[in-house]
Amino acid sequence: DGGITQSPKYLFRKEGQNVTLSCEQNLNHDAMYWYRQDPGQGLRLIYYSQIVNDFQKGDIAEGYSVSREKKESFPLTVTSAQKNPTAFYLCASSPGGQLQETQYFGPGTRLLVL
Amino acid sequence: GENVEQHPSTLSVQEGDSAVIKCTYSDSASNYFPWYKQELGKRPQLIIDIRSNVGEKKDQRIAVTLNKTAKHFSLHITETQPEDSAVYFCAAPGGGMDSSYKLIFGSGTRLLVRP
Repeated sequence: DGGITQSPKYLFRKEGQNVTLSCEQNLNHDAMYWYRQDPGQGLRLIYYSQIVNDFQKGDIAEGYSVSREKKESFPLTVTSAQKNPTAFYLCASSPGGQLQETQYFGPGTRLLVL
Repeated sequence: GENVEQHPSTLSVQEGDSAVIKCTYSDSASNYFPWYKQELGKRPQLIIDIRSNVGEKKDQRIAVTLNKTAKHFSLHITETQPEDSAVYFCAAPGGGMDSSYKLIFGSGTRLLVRP
């Protein structure tokens, strides 16, 4: 999991502002994921991408957008349409060669609303 | 889609005692069940996983058991130590052809090991 990095560690968003969270991996993994974690709760899937230039909505995609232009990178944009964005955001990746495989997580970005 | 239930939500044990966390899942096609440990403010880290061709897997003080008939799997930690204190998450595949790359996570168990 040391091969997955997220930045920044903390991010502050003003009302009506879009912000982008970075996720990079050098593990040569095909699949990447974004999760949201609220205090004392589990992980909920926002978006996932099985391969470059392709991605699918997860369970809570509203108010978020992603892109997958490069294999190594899967940035997440939190748009102004997301009314309650304060949470811990975790990016993960997996090799992508088979179904039902291990996911490895980045260190996370904590997003706070000013 | 898959649904994963995890119990208990909190667990407090005396150092040296055992801890057991149980998860149930709904999709009978699932065959991969990982367990993650998350320390406060840190990333979840895989501690053990099991696939449906085995019923039990051990790694030192940690073991996972799987009952496919009953659709549940459990994490067992023996001889608990204070550094085992963390939140533990189970997960199961998302189910369905398009969702098989997804993992659905349980709601987590906060384990406290009292010295």
